[in-house]
Amino acid sequence: NAGVTQTPKFQVLKTGQSMTLQCAQDMNHEYMSWYRQDPGMGLRLIHYSVGAGITDQGEVPNGYNVSRSTTEDFPLRLLSAAPSQTSVYFCASRPGRQGLDTGELFFGEGSRLTVL
Amino acid sequence: DAKTTQPPSMDCAEGRAANLPCNHSTISGNEYVYWYRQIHSQGPQYIIHGLKNNETNEMASLIITEDRKSSTLILPHATLRDTAVYYCIVRVATTGNQFYFGTGTSLTVIP
Repeated sequence: NAGVTQTPKFQVLKTGQSMTLQCAQDMNHEYMSWYRQDPGMGLRLIHYSVGAGITDQGEVPNGYNVSRSTTEDFPLRLLSAAPSQTSVYFCASRPGRQGLDTGELFFGEGSRLTVL
Repeated sequence: DAKTTQPPSMDCAEGRAANLPCNHSTISGNEYVYWYRQIHSQGPQYIIHGLKNNETNEMASLIITEDRKSSTLILPHATLRDTAVYYCIVRVATTGNQFYFGTGTSLTVIP
C-alpha cells in the first residue's frame, strides 16, 4: 500500500512549455485534489474531484487542467507554464464515502516545479 | 466553510506542553475542527479532529470551547521532531470538498 504517489518530485520548465504532474493513489479513494504551496504561504486548492469523470475548481484553478478517467489517477496539466506557477504541488485524497470518510486527507510528498 | 485565525509563530521548550490556539468564531453547527501539521516541505500530516467534545489520540489532544468558537491543540510533551507548521481547519466532515489551510502556526521546539 503506497498511499498517494506523486511524480516527478522535481521539474524545471521554460516559460511556455507544457507538462503533467502525475498523482496516483492505491487506497480506492473517491476524492482527490491538487494544492499548490508558495514560499511562506499555506496550501491553496487548485482543482478537486469527487469521483471518476467529475472534477471541479478550487481557489486558484487558472492555468491548470485536470481530468479523472480512473479512480486511481488524477493528473494536473500545465498547458503553457508561467513563472508564477513556480511552486510546490501536493496531491491529496480521502475515501469520500459516507461511513468510511472521517474527512482526513492523505497527502503525497509533493512535486517541486520551477518555471524559468 | 468557516475561516480560522492562528498566531503566526510560537516557541515551546522541549519536554513541555505546546498549546496551539485557533479561533473559528463563524463555525457552523455541522463543521468539524481539523488539525494538520507540515514538517519542512513534506506533505501535511493529519493530527486530530473533533466536533464539540474534547478528543485525544496518540499524537495530541484537542480542546474545543463550549461555544465552539475556538480550540486548542495540545502536544503534551513536545520534542524537537514536533517543530512544524500547524494548520487549523474547519469544514463539514464528509460533504465539504474544500479544505482551506491558511498560513498556520509555525511551532519551534527549543532544546
